[in-house]
Amino acid sequence: AQSVTQPDIHITVSEGASLELRCNYSYGATPYLFWYVQSPGQGLQLLLKYFSGDTLVQGIKGFEAEFKRSQSSFNLRKPSVHWSDAAEYFCAGSNFNKFYFGSGTKLNVKP
Amino acid sequence: GAGVSQSPSNKVTEKGKDVELRCDPISGHTALYWYRQRLGQGLEFLIYFQGNSAPDKSGLPSDRFSAERTGESVSTLTIQRTQQEDSAVYLCASSTDRREKLFFGSGTQLSVL
Repeated sequence: AQSVTQPDIHITVSEGASLELRCNYSYGATPYLFWYVQSPGQGLQLLLKYFSGDTLVQGIKGFEAEFKRSQSSFNLRKPSVHWSDAAEYFCAGSNFNKFYFGSGTKLNVKP
Repeated sequence: GAGVSQSPSNKVTEKGKDVELRCDPISGHTALYWYRQRLGQGLEFLIYFQGNSAPDKSGLPSDRFSAERTGESVSTLTIQRTQQEDSAVYLCASSTDRREKLFFGSGTQLSVL
């Protein structure tokens, strides 16, 4: 079955520290992959997307993600986290017009 | 319109009543999705429309849930005989196709008392 898995439910990092949020996908073929962020009281916003080509994609707010076919992963990274990055992050995959979302990772940022 | 519009933004109902949730997607978006987000949880896929047809209804939790779309535009999600476990935010999203991002509405907060 097609699915997207985010193994970490909660992550806490200190402000200024680096961040990596994990995402694994299970699809018959390489799906289109996305990362969305949901800030408290706000809607979902697209951070970045991967279709094909360069496996390292850059997104908004200083985020990047790397597609690794051998590991079926699409992890989200940021070199230096800001307090405003505290939010819930969702990885999503799309195949034939159906989007699958992971269960989300809540990011807390310590001062 | 400028974005995906959902109404009502909040709905409080009594257990056993029927509710209808409405979604107006972005004009021209052929794909429309309904998701449910329970408090503190992730997005749960409910149903997907391509045009007016629903090729995938696999996420509907029970036969109390149904959805339709008309004119390749407005969609209505109906929950019959609501239960307390139906309380959640119901999100609608639309897209031109699978290579493009989903545009989400602000959701309908459903509370079943």
